[in-house]
Amino acid sequence: DAGVTQSPTHLIKTRGQQVTLRCSPKSGHDTVSWYQQALGQGPQFIFQYYEEEERQRGNFPDRFSGHQFPNYSSELNVNALLLGDSALYLCASSLDEYEQYFGPGTRLTVT
Amino acid sequence: KQEVTQIPAALSVPEGENLVLNCSFTDSAIYNLQWFRQDPGKGLTSLLLIQSSQREQTSGRLNASLDKSSGRSTLYIAASQPGDSATYLCAVRHGNYGQNFVFGPGTRLSVLP
Repeated sequence: DAGVTQSPTHLIKTRGQQVTLRCSPKSGHDTVSWYQQALGQGPQFIFQYYEEEERQRGNFPDRFSGHQFPNYSSELNVNALLLGDSALYLCASSLDEYEQYFGPGTRLTVT
Repeated sequence: KQEVTQIPAALSVPEGENLVLNCSFTDSAIYNLQWFRQDPGKGLTSLLLIQSSQREQTSGRLNASLDKSSGRSTLYIAASQPGDSATYLCAVRHGNYGQNFVFGPGTRLSVLP
C-alpha cells in the first residue's frame, strides 16, 4: 500500500496564474481533506470531499476549489494566485470519520 | 470557534531526558485528538490518536493523555533521542465543526546528542 500520494512535490507559479494539485488517497479510503500550511504554522483546513461532493469547507475564498473523482482521488485548484498562497499543501485521507493519514505535501511557491 | 494552542513553542533538551509537550483546546466537545510529528518540509506522521472516551494512549516511548473537561492533552516522550527532533502538532476533531482537524501551531523539539 503506497499510502497517500501527492503530486507534484514542488511547484513554482507566478502571481495571477492558476494551479492544480493532485492527491491519491490510501487504499480503501473514501474521504479526502485538504489543508494549507504556511511556514511556521499549523495546517489550516481548506475543504473535505466525500462521495465526490464537498462536504465541508474552511475559511478560504472561492479561489480555492476542488474535485473528487469516482476512484476517490482528488484535485485542489487555486485561481488568481497571490503571494500569500505560498505554502505546503497537505492532503489527508480517511475512511469517513476515522483516523486521517497525511500525504507528503506539495510545496507551492508563488513569485 | 475552536482554538488550539501548544506550549512551549520550541524546546531544546539533551539526549536522554524525559519531556512533556502540552496542547490546549477551547471547546471540549471533541470527537478525538491526534498527535502528529512533522520533519522539516515534510508531511505529517501520525503518532497517537485518542478517542474522546479514552484517557490515554501509548506507543513505545510515547504516551499521550487527554483531559476533555479541562481542554488539555499532553504528549510525554521518554528517554529522548536526537532522532526525535521534529515539530510536534496536536489536532482536534469534533462533530460541531465537521470531520476536519483544527491544528495547534506546533512545538519545535531539538534533542541534542
